Amino acid sequence: SSELTQDPAVSVALGQTVRITCQGDSLKTYYASWYQQKPGQAPVLVIYYKNNRPSGIPDRFSGSSSGNTASLTISGAQAEDEADYYCNCRDSSGHHLVFGGGTKLTVL
Amino acid sequence: EVQLVESGGGLVKPGGSLRLSCAASGFIFSSYTMNWVRQAPGKGLEWVSCITSSSSYIYYVDSVKGRFTISRDNAKNSLYLQMNSLTAEDTAVYYCAREDNVSDGFDIWGQGTMVTVSS
Repeated sequence: SSELTQDPAVSVALGQTVRITCQGDSLKTYYASWYQQKPGQAPVLVIYYKNNRPSGIPDRFSGSSSGNTASLTISGAQAEDEADYYCNCRDSSGHHLVFGGGTKLTVL
Repeated sequence: EVQLVESGGGLVKPGGSLRLSCAASGFIFSSYTMNWVRQAPGKGLEWVSCITSSSSYIYYVDSVKGRFTISRDNAKNSLYLQMNSLTAEDTAVYYCAREDNVSDGFDIWGQGTMVTVSS
């Protein structure tokens, strides 16, 4: 299996842009998906297959990838974006999924 | 409405067993790989297991291999997780999640069911 590493916490001023990163060897082979989780709620998919948004996800959310790092960018962060964000992708075996440790985003 | 609803959680003693269920509705259940993901209190998400649409392939995280069994009944639109030899480390909210057919994204999640392992 492989690991995905995320910064535990990130903060952003209201209306500014923030990037949340996810690092891992398997990201050289597989695209990451990104999830938003608010307290007491189930996770919600916000980005999949590198930079695709499910319906209903605002276009201020975008994804990118380079080498062993995937990034989730929120352009013009809103108060409602304050949440935990998790990345995931397949591990090196291709059979298992792994999640990053999560990043707590605070909107100031 | 596309929906997943988990049930079967509860309090169980160490060494005990529990069977979780996930009822799917609003989509063609038999066409999708399904997953179980758990989240210990105050911790991050952990992938537990997946089963392909026709149950041909099944995979587990190492920590539950040999103790947990995932299964599905496509006729009943249901996913299951049989959990045996439970320990305190298995205490978590357990989510079932649908895996998108094109990407590896989990596009539909249930609300979760809490499993507490304690004496």
